Amino acid sequence: GAGVSQTPSNKVTEKGKYVELRCDPISGHTALYWYRQSLGQGPEFLIYFQGTGAADDSGLPNDRFFAVRPEGSVSTLKIQRTERGDSAVYLCASSLFGLSTDTQYFGPGTRLTVL
Amino acid sequence: AQTVTQSQPEMSVQEAETVTLSCTYDTSESDYYLFWYKQPPSRQMILVIRQEAYKQQNATENRFSVNFQKAAKSFSLKISDSQLGDAAMYFCAYRNSDKLIFGTGTRLQVFP
Repeated sequence: GAGVSQTPSNKVTEKGKYVELRCDPISGHTALYWYRQSLGQGPEFLIYFQGTGAADDSGLPNDRFFAVRPEGSVSTLKIQRTERGDSAVYLCASSLFGLSTDTQYFGPGTRLTVL
Repeated sequence: AQTVTQSQPEMSVQEAETVTLSCTYDTSESDYYLFWYKQPPSRQMILVIRQEAYKQQNATENRFSVNFQKAAKSFSLKISDSQLGDAAMYFCAYRNSDKLIFGTGTRLQVFP
């Protein structure tokens, strides 16, 4: 596709449920990033993939959060036993090689609401 | 740890006028990159302008320019000839490795 796409656009779930958020990066981009944006804040880094492997997962808040990118393209962010504090917009970005010089292109995000 | 601070939660400007958004950052690194991103209500972060720290010349992209003061760790964004479509959240960001570190944002309102 022409840009980064994310599905679903909005997700409402109940506390304790499991959710999956999907990111489809720009074709050919080897680097993929997940960020979380809470209300009134800037995005915060969660995890970075280079190809299929997680090169940096230092931003994942706890072991309820997990992400995969099995074929080096689409990525899924998985949240177990959701809590109300997980409510936020989850943004995905991709870049060509993951170099510091590369621009990160963002998707429109998934707004997660945990009731 | 690197931090990015945007001290102006909201700014407003008249159409066709000029406005400056402030950003300061803290780092011990000498080689890094700075960015301004725009986030309209659609939520998609759009790159406005970038600056490489090793370059002394301030970056310019059409109506957008920056004032980069490396010693002061300051990176402000100037928008000239403001347009209604410039209304959005603006985020300053820092990068020296894989991740971007964002400030808390400035909401820009543009009045006709």
